[in-house]
Amino acid sequence: DTGVSQDPRHKITKRGQNVTFRCDPISEHNRLYWYRQTLGQGPEFLTYFQNEAQLEKSRLLSDRFSAERPKGSFSTLEIQRTEQGDSAMYLCASSLTQGGNEQYFGPGTRLTVT
Amino acid sequence: AQKVTQAQTEISVVEKEDVTLDCVYETRDTTYYLFWYKQPPSGELVFLIRRNSFDEQNEISGRYSWNFQKSTSSFNFTITASQVVDSAVYFCALTLNAGNMLTFGGGTRLMVKP
Repeated sequence: DTGVSQDPRHKITKRGQNVTFRCDPISEHNRLYWYRQTLGQGPEFLTYFQNEAQLEKSRLLSDRFSAERPKGSFSTLEIQRTEQGDSAMYLCASSLTQGGNEQYFGPGTRLTVT
Repeated sequence: AQKVTQAQTEISVVEKEDVTLDCVYETRDTTYYLFWYKQPPSGELVFLIRRNSFDEQNEISGRYSWNFQKSTSSFNFTITASQVVDSAVYFCALTLNAGNMLTFGGGTRLMVKP
């Protein structure tokens, strides 16, 4: 299976700790996206990359959040000094470059901050 | 800014009934793309269809059909002869040509009872 993969699938952490999530996109896709989904809501855009360049960041992405895609392949999303409000499902998606091309999503990382 | 509204938060039907999920969108751009995704209980978003703003032709794929009407800014999704396996949350989403971030609606939870 060559779909989008995310690791870990679940993460429980204490408030104030740092966490890092990884996303591996579909291999030929040069765009990679991060979304956050809270219970009962639709996913909300956080940021996206074209190759290694981070092209857009949402206002939802506070200073405690940082994302990287160092070699244009996998990406990491780090949350520093986690807060209970950070508890959510973090979704990664990838697509080809052309506008409007469908995004394929990974299974997500569910973060619980206690 | 763009917006997607799914007014139906939950729909419950009995197996073999037809069901229509509504989606209304707002954007000032003339070029845009609309999507439907399915999120089953397992949590992974599954791409169903993409439609661009220049193509108002309706589409049918098996038991699924989509009705795109620019005049009413709607992109509705009909499942014919629903099955229990159709039970999921369905999201409508919009993206503009200039960037690929998806704006999602709040989702409609469909429950198909045997």
